[in-house]
Amino acid sequence: DARVTQTPRHKVTEMGQEVTMRCQPILGHNTVFWYRQTMMQGLELLAYFRNRAPLDDSGMPKDRFSAEMPDATLATLKIQPSEPRDSAVYFCASGPNWGPTGGLQPQHFGDGTRLSIL
Amino acid sequence: AQKITQTQPGMFVQEKEAVTLDCTYDTSDPSYGLFWYKQPSSGEMIFLIYQGSYDQQNATEGRYSLNFQKARKSANLVISASQLGDSAMYFCAMREGFSRGGTSYGKLTFGQGTILTVHP
Repeated sequence: DARVTQTPRHKVTEMGQEVTMRCQPILGHNTVFWYRQTMMQGLELLAYFRNRAPLDDSGMPKDRFSAEMPDATLATLKIQPSEPRDSAVYFCASGPNWGPTGGLQPQHFGDGTRLSIL
Repeated sequence: AQKITQTQPGMFVQEKEAVTLDCTYDTSDPSYGLFWYKQPSSGEMIFLIYQGSYDQQNATEGRYSLNFQKARKSANLVISASQLGDSAMYFCAMREGFSRGGTSYGKLTFGQGTILTVHP
């Protein structure tokens, strides 16, 4: 089965360090999402892309977070500088053929990156 | 205002029994989809089932069925014949406005989740 692949699975680093998380969406999916999951806030949408173009990143702290899709097979989420409050699980998800008249195909999630900032 | 509400923080069920997990939603968009995901203790998010707002019949997928009551804006997940492996967190989610443009379309809004524990 095709899967969304996220790396790394786990990351522990010190406050102030740069963190880069990577995602390979399912081949053929044109929509990519980044979510953050914490106990307090649940699942929050950080950013999403359609056909590699950013559509909405309003959920992302702009001063330290950035999301890009350098090509159709790679999405990245960077935090610089990282802070302890960024500790969370970060999920990438992709969806097929979503557009203005798109159907109800579900998003498929990667296994997440568990990030701990000390 | 909450768009997706899951009122049951935790549910318990005996193995082989059926269980219903509640989900209510709020939208004024005529075109929307409702999804259920399972998150076991290992952390991955597993897609289970979806229902479109225009679908006439309730969605079913194996032991999962979606009790869709549009007038009441509810989309409850029914798991029949519970198994120990069903113990997990379950999330209800909604996608709005996929039939038109704008930055809102495509986004999934998640509820807070329900922890299901299946007892032997």
